[in-house]
Formats: sequence, C-alpha cells, structure tokens
Amino acid sequence: AQSVTQLGSHVSVSEGALVLLRCNYSSSVPPYLFWYVQYPNQGLQLLLKYTTGATLVKGINGFEAEFKKSETSFHLTKPSAHMSDAAEYFCAVSTGTASKLTFGTGTRLQVTL
Amino acid sequence: GAGVSQSPSNKVTEKGKDVELRCDPISGHTALYWYRQSLGQGLEFLIYFQGNSAPDKSGLPSDRFSAERTGGSVSTLTIQRTQQEDSAVYLCASSFQGSNYGYTFGSGTRLTVV
Repeated sequence: AQSVTQLGSHVSVSEGALVLLRCNYSSSVPPYLFWYVQYPNQGLQLLLKYTTGATLVKGINGFEAEFKKSETSFHLTKPSAHMSDAAEYFCAVSTGTASKLTFGTGTRLQVTL
Repeated sequence: GAGVSQSPSNKVTEKGKDVELRCDPISGHTALYWYRQSLGQGLEFLIYFQGNSAPDKSGLPSDRFSAERTGGSVSTLTIQRTQQEDSAVYLCASSFQGSNYGYTFGSGTRLTVV
C-alpha cells in the first residue's frame, strides 16, 4: 500500500522568505509523485510531478521539488514567497497507471507581510 | 471540453433525501475519479473508472454511495438517504489513461446536508 505524510498542517512564512513544505511517502514500488495547490473555493491544480529521470523537478509559479529516494521524501520549495502563494498544498503518490493517487492531508501556507 | 466540469457547484439537501452529483471529464480522458474532501481532512478516494474495466469502488464509505459512468464520459455520483456526515466537497478528476499522468480536477460540488 502507498501512503503520504505531510509534516505541518499549517506553515507561515514572511513574504520573500523561503517556502519549504515537507512530504514523505511510503511505496513498495518506484513512485510517481505530485504536488497540487488548492486556492480557496477552487479545485486542485497540478504544480509539478516526478515520474522518472531528473530528481529535481521544476513546476509552475517558481516552485520546485526534489525526489530523494534514500529519504523517501519529495519536499516542495520556493526561494521567495509571494502573497499569492497563500493556499493549501497537497502531496500525492501513485504506484501505477492502474492505481489512483493517494493524497496527504495537506499543508496550508500562510504568507505574511 | 476544456476542463473538468462539475454540477451543481453547491447543493443543500435535507437529511434523508437522495442527491446526484455530475462530472463531465475532459474529452479523451479514459480515467475518471471521485474524491471527497471534508473540512480539515485530506482527499478521501471514493471510486475510479478506467476505460471499460470494472470500476474500483473500494473507497465508497457505505452502500448509500454509488456511481456510474455512461458511454465512457459523464459520471454521476449518487448518495441515497443523505446523512449530515456526508456534508463535504466532492471532487471529480480525470486523467489521460491513468494516475501516473496526474489528474485534472473539477472545481467540486459543495454538499451540505441539513
């Protein structure tokens, strides 16, 4: 079975500061990993995904994530937070095309002035 | 269509009534998924359809919940005899062939049972 753990249900950063949202996964087979963002009253939007190949993945809005197999992690980072980054972020894992995505419980990012 | 369309966007129903939620996936996407998002909770998987295969219903919380997908396109999630604990946002997503490609989500249906 696959699972995802997101450490920290709420993260607050100052505008311009580094954003780090943590995600650890459990999978018995090579995983496919995703980060989604959800703005208020909207559906989820794909930020970035890791399938195979390069372990550092760049996504939209300046976000990136690094797949670290030895640490079973896929943390999301952004060098400089912007007010518009305030949203809920979900990490997800898939272990096969015929399976479904398993999501973490989400991290709400607050950006302060 | 250009995106995943869900209707209605909001639904208020009385306890004990049946409700139907509709999802219109992206044209050409063979996989369709339903999730439930409750306040303070993550996304709870409900059911998924992949092409002509039998659906994976392993996430349906009770036999009051059912879903169908007609013609490999539009899907309807039906909740019978609604309970207050069914109140949540129901999200539909579609994918080109499967979860490894990631999902495109609709905006969801907010269900409130009073």
